[in-house]
Amino acid sequence: GAGVSQSPSNKVTEKGKDVELRCDPISGHTALYWYRQSLGQGLEFLIYFQGNSAPDKSGLPSDRFSAERTGGSVSTLTIQRTQQEDSAVYLCASSPDRLAGGREQFFGPGTRLTVL
Amino acid sequence: GNSVTQMEGPVTLSEEAFLTINCTYTATGYPSLFWYVQYPGEGLQLLLKATKADDKGSNKGFEATYRKETTSFHLEKGSVQVSDSAVYFCALSDRVYASKIIFGSGTRLSIRP
Repeated sequence: GAGVSQSPSNKVTEKGKDVELRCDPISGHTALYWYRQSLGQGLEFLIYFQGNSAPDKSGLPSDRFSAERTGGSVSTLTIQRTQQEDSAVYLCASSPDRLAGGREQFFGPGTRLTVL
Repeated sequence: GNSVTQMEGPVTLSEEAFLTINCTYTATGYPSLFWYVQYPGEGLQLLLKATKADDKGSNKGFEATYRKETTSFHLEKGSVQVSDSAVYFCALSDRVYASKIIFGSGTRLSIRP
């Protein structure tokens, strides 16, 4: 298959706990993106990976957030010491390559994170 | 920096009405422009795109024309259906260094039967 997959689809956690969110991009896509969509809000860029280049972390809201991409494929977004304001839907997207800026990003279904 | 401003919602229309959702952008260089749609309970998906000035993107009866002179990319549809009810996002990306897409805040559209 085919599209971008994310797991878990839903995650409920207690304030202060760490969470890990996973993204499997479309095979062969070199670019991978993480976004956050809070209730009633637009999409907020978090981080971008392109091949073996250093990631663009400019959107990460605090040092509690980190992400890695292993082997140029699967990515994990980690949130440490979660806070209630971290509650949102976390979206992952992939796209074929960096230079073709006109190409679309393909989005996964998202992980809905609820911090109690 | 780059930014996208789109019409605030919610927008409620009757079936078969004409739809316009306004979108304007600020960008250096020549961005690519997109409309994404998020149907209820589904993921975000590309609706249409345009990569250079005067290009018209179209899909599912929706159209948007890349207007460089007015820095706009308004979404239009001549006759909406109930199934068009969704949230619509205008977005742009730098054509060469596509590190991320900048999204507008989204416009919720509801179509009454």
